[in-house]
Amino acid sequence: KQEVTQIPAALSVPEGENLVLNCSFTDSAIYNLQWFRQDPGKGLTSLLLIQSSQREQTSGRLNASLDKSSGRSTLYIAASQPGDSATYLCADRGGGSNYKLTFGKGTLLTVNP
Amino acid sequence: GAGVSQTPSNKVTEKGKYVELRCDPISGHTALYWYRQSLGQGPEFLIYFQGTGAADDSGLPNDRFFAVRPEGSVSTLKIQRTERGDSAMYLCASSLAGGPQETQYFGPGTRLLVL
Repeated sequence: KQEVTQIPAALSVPEGENLVLNCSFTDSAIYNLQWFRQDPGKGLTSLLLIQSSQREQTSGRLNASLDKSSGRSTLYIAASQPGDSATYLCADRGGGSNYKLTFGKGTLLTVNP
Repeated sequence: GAGVSQTPSNKVTEKGKYVELRCDPISGHTALYWYRQSLGQGPEFLIYFQGTGAADDSGLPNDRFFAVRPEGSVSTLKIQRTERGDSAMYLCASSLAGGPQETQYFGPGTRLLVL
C-alpha cells in the first residue's frame, strides 16, 4: 500500500526566507506527483504537477522537484510572504492506480511578518 | 462554471440522520472523484466516476455510503444513518477524462458535523 509522508508537520519562518517542504513516498512506480495548498477550512488548490518523466516544475516563486528513484519530492518556496501561510499537501498517483491520489498529512506553514 | 462547486458548504446533522452532499464538476470533465478528509489528516479516496458509472468505489468505508452521477455531470454523495465518526470535510474533484497525466481540480468541500 502506497504511503506518503511529509516532513516537517509544521514550519514557522520569518517573511522573506526561502524554505523547502519535503514529501516521500514508498512506491516509486508513480504516474505523477501533485502539490496542493489548503487554507484553513477550505478546499485544495493545485500548485504544481510533476509527471513521472520530469524532474521539476516551476511556477512563480514555487519550484517542485521529483526524484522517483529515492521516492522523494520537494517544494521550494522563494522569498516567502505572510500570504503563503497555509497547509501544503503532496499527493502521488500510482501504487497500482492511475487515478487515485494518495496524500500526505501536510505541512502547516506559517510565515511571520 | 469556472471551477468545481460543492453544496452545502457546511452541514450539521444529528446521529442517525440521512444526508446528501452535492458536487458540480468543471463543465466537460468526465472524471469525478470524492475524497474524505478528517481533521489533521490528508484526504482519502472514496469513489471515482467515469461518466455515469462508478469505476471504483473501493474507498467507501461501508454500505451506509453511496454515490450517484446519473447524467454524468452532477454527483451526489449519500450517507445513511450518520455516525459521529462520519464528521469530516468531504471533497470533490474532477478531471478532463481521468487520464493518469491529468490534474485533479478540487472544490471547496462540504464540512459535515454529526452531533
